[in-house]
Amino acid sequence: AQTVTQSQPEMSVQEAETVTLSCTYDTSENNYYLFWYKQPPSRQMILVIRQEAYKQQNATENRFSVNFQKAAKSFSLKISDSQLGDTAMYFCAFMKVIQGAQKLVFGQGTRLTINP
Amino acid sequence: KAGVTQTPRYLIKTRGQQVTLSCSPISGHRSVSWYQQTPGQGLQFLFEYFSETQRNKGNFPGRFSGRQFSNSRSEMNVSTLELGDSALYLCASSLNRGIGDTIYFGEGSWLTVV
Repeated sequence: AQTVTQSQPEMSVQEAETVTLSCTYDTSENNYYLFWYKQPPSRQMILVIRQEAYKQQNATENRFSVNFQKAAKSFSLKISDSQLGDTAMYFCAFMKVIQGAQKLVFGQGTRLTINP
Repeated sequence: KAGVTQTPRYLIKTRGQQVTLSCSPISGHRSVSWYQQTPGQGLQFLFEYFSETQRNKGNFPGRFSGRQFSNSRSEMNVSTLELGDSALYLCASSLNRGIGDTIYFGEGSWLTVV
């Protein structure tokens, strides 16, 4: 079974700083997908960024980028120029598609606080 | 385009009762999945439906069940509620074309069992 580990339960940085959230996963599969979701106090899960394992190029979405190291099974999220609105729980998730069925396996989350 | 809609948003039930939660997926999405979120266990997969068929099920007791209708709307039911069923229940939908399509979440239904 796949497992996802986020080793930083909480992080705190000043506004405008850059922060990196760590995520490692365990799988024997070669083809899979990785995601970072953000859960603000409203509790709605919002997609931040998505990465296909077969793509070597790291995904980027505006201020958010990932460092995907397939051999090391590492998938970290970098937030540049952090903003107060980035304050939220961040979840790393693994997806494997089996005969069309897909499910997400989540890490335990990192609570990120951006201070003014 | 409307997002994933869940009803009710908040509810309180008594131990032993049953509850039904409803979910309307994003228009055009045929896959609906459910997740349970608790402080202790985190986010756990309950089940996934596609074209009215359950394709995947998590490690939950039989008290947890669900179904999907022909319009892709889904319901999940929990019978004989226990205190430990108190949680945020998240519904999610995706196109699910078999290529790892992004899963989009609703705002969740907060269930408190007393």
